[in-house]
Amino acid sequence: AQTVTQSQPEMSVQEAETVTLSCTYDTSESDYYLFWYKQPPSRQMILVIRQEAYKQQNATENRFSVNFQKAAKSFSLKISDSQLGDAAMYFCAYRSAMLDSGYALNFGKGTSLLVTP
Amino acid sequence: ETGVTQSPTHLIKTRGQQVTLRCSSQSGHNTVSWYQQALGQGPQFIFQYYREEENGRGNFPPRFSGLQFPNYSSELNVNALELDDSALYLCASSPDLPSTDTQYFGPGTRLTVL
Repeated sequence: AQTVTQSQPEMSVQEAETVTLSCTYDTSESDYYLFWYKQPPSRQMILVIRQEAYKQQNATENRFSVNFQKAAKSFSLKISDSQLGDAAMYFCAYRSAMLDSGYALNFGKGTSLLVTP
Repeated sequence: ETGVTQSPTHLIKTRGQQVTLRCSSQSGHNTVSWYQQALGQGPQFIFQYYREEENGRGNFPPRFSGLQFPNYSSELNVNALELDDSALYLCASSPDLPSTDTQYFGPGTRLTVL
């Protein structure tokens, strides 16, 4: 089974600064998808960004970008120009591209991001 | 377009009881997945339904069961509740099975077992 590790239980960033959240994963598969989800206190899991493993180009969504290193099995999230609304739990997730996996998401334990004024 | 909705928001049960949680998928979505999120942990995959058939299951005992209806709404049933079943239960829908589809989550149901 694939495992996802987020080694930073908590991170803090000042408003307008940049922060990077780390994620590593373990897999023997070559085709898969990686995601970052944000979970604010409201509990609803919100998709931040998605990366297909077969794409070498790093995904970008406005202030959010990833550094995907396939050989190192690393998938970090960079948040630029941090805003107070970015404060939340951030989860890294892996999903196999194999049909027999049921397309289940495997989540890390999360990183709690605090944004200070 | 309406998002994924879940009911109830909160629920309190006692050990040994049975519970049913409900999920309405986002319009046009025919795949639904259920996850259990214990306090301070990431969500754990319970099972997935595609067009009313179970399409995959995580490491959960048979007392966790589900249904998906023709309108693609879904239920999660848990029998013989245990204290460790206390968690946030999340459902997520996606447009179809092709693996490129992203799962969109509902707000969850907080279950407390006393």
